[in-house]
Amino acid sequence: SQQGEEDPQALSIQEGENATMNCSYKTSINNLQWYRQNSGRGLVHLILIRSNEREKHSGRLRVTLDTSKKSSSLLITASRAADTASYFCATDGGRDDKIIFGKGTRLHILP
Amino acid sequence: DAGVIQSPRHEVTEMGQEVTLRCKPISGHNSLFWYRQTMMRGLELLIYFNNNVPIDDSGMPEDRFSAKMPNASFSTLKIQPSEPRDSAVYFCASSALYGYTFGSGTRLTVV
Repeated sequence: SQQGEEDPQALSIQEGENATMNCSYKTSINNLQWYRQNSGRGLVHLILIRSNEREKHSGRLRVTLDTSKKSSSLLITASRAADTASYFCATDGGRDDKIIFGKGTRLHILP
Repeated sequence: DAGVIQSPRHEVTEMGQEVTLRCKPISGHNSLFWYRQTMMRGLELLIYFNNNVPIDDSGMPEDRFSAKMPNASFSTLKIQPSEPRDSAVYFCASSALYGYTFGSGTRLTVV
């Protein structure tokens, strides 16, 4: 069963602008992760936020988590052409190692 | 560390043939996951292992699919007989605690 669901499905913005992607999920979690996938490549882990955290930063990435709304957002500031990729959120079921991915947001940075 | 290594990168086979995909996880990672990615269904978890033991194979689509992990450094995913609807990119990922490391995937085309 699919846990996370990203919104929007696709996003195009101008280079230098900020990009915001959202993720909603259905059941309780221990943590939520964001991954990036460049075309034709595997997924790359970006950031993990635990259920008791509300916000986390890593370089130009900012992730928020609202467990009451079962939602998370990924903000990429000052976007670059190299940020063009698909971004996935992934959630655990709270009980074991496996994580379930959403269908992703395709981000396109326009020059 | 060379990361998670998958082989082959591309496989084209005829319907009915047996296909074997291979994965070498990162040394020291005790969990290994097989995912399938298609445009229609996104990333689907097929099976995962913990300390070489299959923990959850509920995502394996049918009996034509089987996976093994004979030791901590090697896993295989076999499809026998293959069908055109099996065409997808198959990813292997390994994990220690949090955050998965993905291989580059095997693009399978069944004609």
